[in-house]
Amino acid sequence: GNSVTQMEGPVTLSEEAFLTINCTYTATGYPSLFWYVQYPGEGLQLLLKATKADDKGSNKGFEATYRKETTSFHLEKGSVQVSDSAVYFCALSEIFSGAGSYQLTFGKGTKLSVIP
Amino acid sequence: NAGVTQTPKFQVLKTGQSMTLQCAQDMNHNSMYWYRQDPGMGLRLIYYSASEGTTDKGEVPNGYNVSRLNKREFSLRLESAAPSQTSVYFCASNGGRTDTQYFGPGTRLTVL
Repeated sequence: GNSVTQMEGPVTLSEEAFLTINCTYTATGYPSLFWYVQYPGEGLQLLLKATKADDKGSNKGFEATYRKETTSFHLEKGSVQVSDSAVYFCALSEIFSGAGSYQLTFGKGTKLSVIP
Repeated sequence: NAGVTQTPKFQVLKTGQSMTLQCAQDMNHNSMYWYRQDPGMGLRLIYYSASEGTTDKGEVPNGYNVSRLNKREFSLRLESAAPSQTSVYFCASNGGRTDTQYFGPGTRLTVL
């Protein structure tokens, strides 16, 4: 079956530090890959996605590249801000038997705290 | 645009009580999902619905029932709540040719 393994936290960084959150996956097909972000007390929001090998997803200064050879999708940001404090989830998506519904498999989440 | 809405935001139940969590989306999406989120576990799929009138089990369906009332609404029912069902519940939807799921704000449920 599919699985996602991501770096466990919590991760604490100073403002303007470089961020990497590692994510690797196991999948039988060719999934789409996602990073979702959850701010305190809120639901999950899509941060970025990539649909095929070598695609780079980017948003709000965050980037991740779909690496099929290493089955990885690491999240990076060059300079974090206090407002980036949240829980980050890596996920992969595969279709449920052509029904138009998709199975999202999540990692366990990485809590990031950014201090001034 | 409201997106995906959920009610209630918080709920406390006693063991054995029943309740229904409501979810609605205004994006004309065909597919809807219910997840639970537990500390250190990520999100796990309870049930999903590919279209109005159809529902299927996910990874952790035991103790739950669902109803896809119409295209907009997808409810989750706990018939006899247990402490193990204490969790945060999220509804999500997707539609068209995209696999991106959009999430509601969640319901925090405590079963005593």
